[in-house]
This record gives sequence, C-alpha cells and structure tokens, in this order.
Amino acid sequence: DIQLTQSPSFLSASVGDRVTITCRASQGISSYLAWYQQKPGKAPKLLIYAASTLQSGVPSRFSGSGSGTEFTLTISSLQPEDFATYYCQQLNSYSTFGQGTRLEIK
Amino acid sequence: QVQLVQSGAEVKKPGASVKVSCKASGYTFTSYDINWVRQATGQGLEWMGWMNPNSGNTGYAQKFQGRVTMTRNTSISTAYMELSSLRSEDTAVYYCARRLKTWFDPWGQGTLVTVSS
Repeated sequence: DIQLTQSPSFLSASVGDRVTITCRASQGISSYLAWYQQKPGKAPKLLIYAASTLQSGVPSRFSGSGSGTEFTLTISSLQPEDFATYYCQQLNSYSTFGQGTRLEIK
Repeated sequence: QVQLVQSGAEVKKPGASVKVSCKASGYTFTSYDINWVRQATGQGLEWMGWMNPNSGNTGYAQKFQGRVTMTRNTSISTAYMELSSLRSEDTAVYYCARRLKTWFDPWGQGTLVTVSS
C-alpha cells in the first residue's frame, strides 16, 4: 500500500500569512495527487487535482506543485475562511489519504 | 447540479450490519466510479473501496475485505455500501464520492453510523 505523510500535522498561522503543507508518498505516484479542505461537520471539498490543477471556483491563492513522491499545497495569503483541515490523497494505486494538517488561527 | 445525497444516520448494535445509500443526480450515474470513505470522530479520512456502477465491479481496501459489500441499483441511480459484523470501532461518518480520473468530486453529505450496545 502507498502511504502518504503530511507535514506539519498542526499549523498555527495568522491572516495574511503564506503557508505551505507538504505531502510525501512512500513510492512514486506521478501526478496522481489531490488536495482537499475539510471544515468541521462538512464533507471534504476538492481544491487541487493532478497535483497542480486548481478546481473551478477555488480561489487562486491556493496552489499545488510536485510530482513523484513530494508534493506541496501553498496558500499565498491566508483568509479567515481558510482555517480548516487539509488532506492529500493519492489515486495511483487504489487510494489513500494523508493524516491531515490542521490549520488554526494564531 | 451534480449531487450525491446519502441516507440518514443509523444506530446499530455490535455484530449487526448497516447499509448506507448514496443517490446520484445531475450526471449519468453509470459513467463514473463511486468510492466510499469513512471518518471516525476527530480522525482522518479512510478509503474503503470503489464500485463501477456500469459493470458492478468492485475493489475493497484490504482492511475491509470480507466485511464490506458495494452494490448499486442503476434504475434509481443509487449506490449502496453494506458493512457487516459491526464493532464499536466502526462508529464513523461514511461518505460516498464520485471519482473523476484521479480525484473525488463531489462528495455526499455523510452518514453517521453509531455502533453501540
């Protein structure tokens, strides 16, 4: 099974900050990686697919990069509505999710 | 609009089975795989398996092999996930999601399954 490891698991930041979350795969997954945002009591929401393609309707302050085994999600200038938990997901072989990164207001 | 609507919350006793439904609308149901993901309270997302609504073919995560069954009724554009031999650790919110190439979108609203004696 392919394992995904996100870092950090917890992140405290302020409105306006630039933040980066990393997702490392235990083996190469090409660009078969997606990023989701989840708020309490809600289903995950797709942000980025194919490692770097922004889903329609998602603000351009979100961006993704990487291929192979290392990927990043960057939020260029945090807004109040961005405080949530973020997950990466691989679909190269079946599917697995990273353990999540909880982003909180400093 | 494309939408997945799931059945309501369930409370089950240990050892019982639960069957959760996921009704699709706004697209051709048989054109995209349906996947199931669960999330225990305060925990991360756990992929359970997939089903092709056209063929009925399925693939399950090893952890759930032998306990999970994914089926569909194409006449009503509905997918089902049945989990048997329930234990307390199966208490979670269960989500269905449509797979598009290499991502999931949209997701259902989630169904809380509580296993308690």
